[in-house]
Amino acid sequence: EAGVVQSPRYKIIEKKQPVAFWCNPISGHNTLYWYLQNLGQGPELLIRYENEEAVDDSQLPKDRFSAERLKGVDSTLKIQPAELGDSAVYLCASSLDSFRAENNEQFFGPGTRLTVL
Amino acid sequence: GQSLEQPSEVTAVEGAIVQINCTYQTSGFYGLSWYQQHDGGAPTFLSYNALDGLEETGRFSSFLSRSDSYGYLLLQELQMKDSASYFCAVRGADTGGFKTIFGAGTRLFVKA
Repeated sequence: EAGVVQSPRYKIIEKKQPVAFWCNPISGHNTLYWYLQNLGQGPELLIRYENEEAVDDSQLPKDRFSAERLKGVDSTLKIQPAELGDSAVYLCASSLDSFRAENNEQFFGPGTRLTVL
Repeated sequence: GQSLEQPSEVTAVEGAIVQINCTYQTSGFYGLSWYQQHDGGAPTFLSYNALDGLEETGRFSSFLSRSDSYGYLLLQELQMKDSASYFCAVRGADTGGFKTIFGAGTRLFVKA
């Protein structure tokens, strides 16, 4: 079974340019997460989807970040315009769903390493 | 709100045992997870504790004390390949369902 797929793996852009990341979760997983990870830090949630609904976007900087998961499967995260401080690894993860109290193992993709110059 | 504390770095010798501690604060606690991440790699799930006690999976064990808001990951018979970052993550109740917050991670260095 394929894992979480992300593209691109690496992206270098100049500040003020737009950038987009794509994620395809594990088949059958209702929940999709976008995380930001800075060097030496843990993943920080940007947005969580249950199917096509964004149920937690409280940490998403909505002035420049946007995300969509139109058909409840794959998802795109966009930054426009990018700033120097956006340089980080953007991780996508999926899980069966997040409405169960028991273990909610998240499966992570390899991430996109963004460098903003 | 939710918060976690874990040591930033731990160094141990190959073949030894190491314990990585994690203390947390959260409302509506449901469980504590541990993830491993090698440099340049994706975090991968190791264990989940919802009840007090020790869960063992091979060389790795995870412990939880809900009354102390404390847990630890125990790695036995350390191997060089165990050098990685280890994150504890607390699962708590949230208006949008259940929310998982990750700690800053503990970087484990295994020396020969």
